[in-house]
Amino acid sequence: QKEVEQNSGPLSVPEGAIASLNCTYSDRVSQSFFWYRQYSGKSPELIMSIYSNGDKEDGRFTAQLNKASQYVSLLIRDSQPSDSATYLCAVNPNTGFQKLVFGTGTRLLVSP
Amino acid sequence: GAGVSQSPSNKVTEKGKDVELRCDPISGHTALYWYRQSLGQGLEFLIYFQGNSAPDKSGLPSDRFSAERTGGSVSTLTIQRTQQEDSAVYLCASSLEGVSPLHFGNGTRLTVT
Repeated sequence: QKEVEQNSGPLSVPEGAIASLNCTYSDRVSQSFFWYRQYSGKSPELIMSIYSNGDKEDGRFTAQLNKASQYVSLLIRDSQPSDSATYLCAVNPNTGFQKLVFGTGTRLLVSP
Repeated sequence: GAGVSQSPSNKVTEKGKDVELRCDPISGHTALYWYRQSLGQGLEFLIYFQGNSAPDKSGLPSDRFSAERTGGSVSTLTIQRTQQEDSAVYLCASSLEGVSPLHFGNGTRLTVT
């Protein structure tokens, strides 16, 4: 079992819809969780971080964490074509330092 | 510059040659990381430097790979006797000490022919 698993997609949604991206992780003691967005040919950029159970909202983005189920998700409301990218889930399984383990990413396509 | 700088942006080399990849982190960032991303794959952790502590080399795939960080700033990743499977994008990232976001450079695309 991979440490961080994501559906590779592509996930296709129409403009204005809600995109839901999911991620599961295997290390139960993981404490920090991150979502990175990566445009084709570009480097990843951080869009959300979450550390405790529940929801965290930032603009059109909401991260959801359920440690009991070892599940973290990212919701994108009012999806725009510019949101089309690969979304990488990253987990820090070690509280000592930020050695992130990344999933393979979910490709999101938002059609106009 | 304001961001993490990597050079070269692209490198094509023949199998068996050695290559050096350079990373200049954000000023003031004490932590520096190297990751590798192959086509269709996630980011693979290679090595981590934090201040003056011994680096975490647990992700280096073989003894052909080595990295150093001089003066707590610039880092060089060296791959000796390159193989075709080394072809990937090599990403460097830096962060402030502690739990803080990683800032990635634009990467070096390495192609081994």
